[in-house]
Amino acid sequence: DQQVKQNSPSLSVQEGRISILNCDYTNSMFDYFLWYKKYPAEGPTFLISISSIKDKNEDGRFTVFLNKSAKHLSLHIVPSQPGDSAVYFCAATYFGGYQKVTFGTGTKLQVIP
Amino acid sequence: EAQVTQNPRYLITVTGKKLTVTCSQNMNHEYMSWYRQDPGLGLRQIYYSMNVEVTDKGDVPEGYKVSRKEKRNFPLILESPSPNQTSLYFCASSSLGTAGGETQYFGPGTRLLVL
Repeated sequence: DQQVKQNSPSLSVQEGRISILNCDYTNSMFDYFLWYKKYPAEGPTFLISISSIKDKNEDGRFTVFLNKSAKHLSLHIVPSQPGDSAVYFCAATYFGGYQKVTFGTGTKLQVIP
Repeated sequence: EAQVTQNPRYLITVTGKKLTVTCSQNMNHEYMSWYRQDPGLGLRQIYYSMNVEVTDKGDVPEGYKVSRKEKRNFPLILESPSPNQTSLYFCASSSLGTAGGETQYFGPGTRLLVL
């Protein structure tokens, strides 16, 4: 039972254009969401996060949008750069004294120069 | 330099031969966790630990053991490895904040092949 889903295994975007990566979740208890970026032969690194009390969080070229009613979040990268080519994982967790984090299956982004 | 280290980075073993993958962090983090990454399945949590001597199962704990005797170390033990445990393993750590979703710092990964 995949509680966090990234339905697009891969995405190709031209350099300078917008990249939109999507993530859906089913567990309504999730109230904190994170995006991690992973290059080959490296561990994932934190990119951006959002709490359920917000619907948008922005950090430079990266913006995450949260639609709680639809149980959907998206990561926007504008403008996309070749160095953004990586696998992006969406992750979800909930406050309650636990750190049980559920990750999605990942989306491989390729930014074409 | 703040980091999470894992050893070994690559390991080939045979079915049934006990092995341990070590994980160490130098950030004084309370929380540590193990994940496995498999094609099409993403990252799945194996075990996590909220502090010394406090561990709990993640989503896929079968066939694995962990211990947390020291704050900095969180080894993953495969008592009797099987081919379905062939995977890429990541250790991670974070502080325990109030949000319940503190940023995790990941190690570089251990690629395990069980023949």
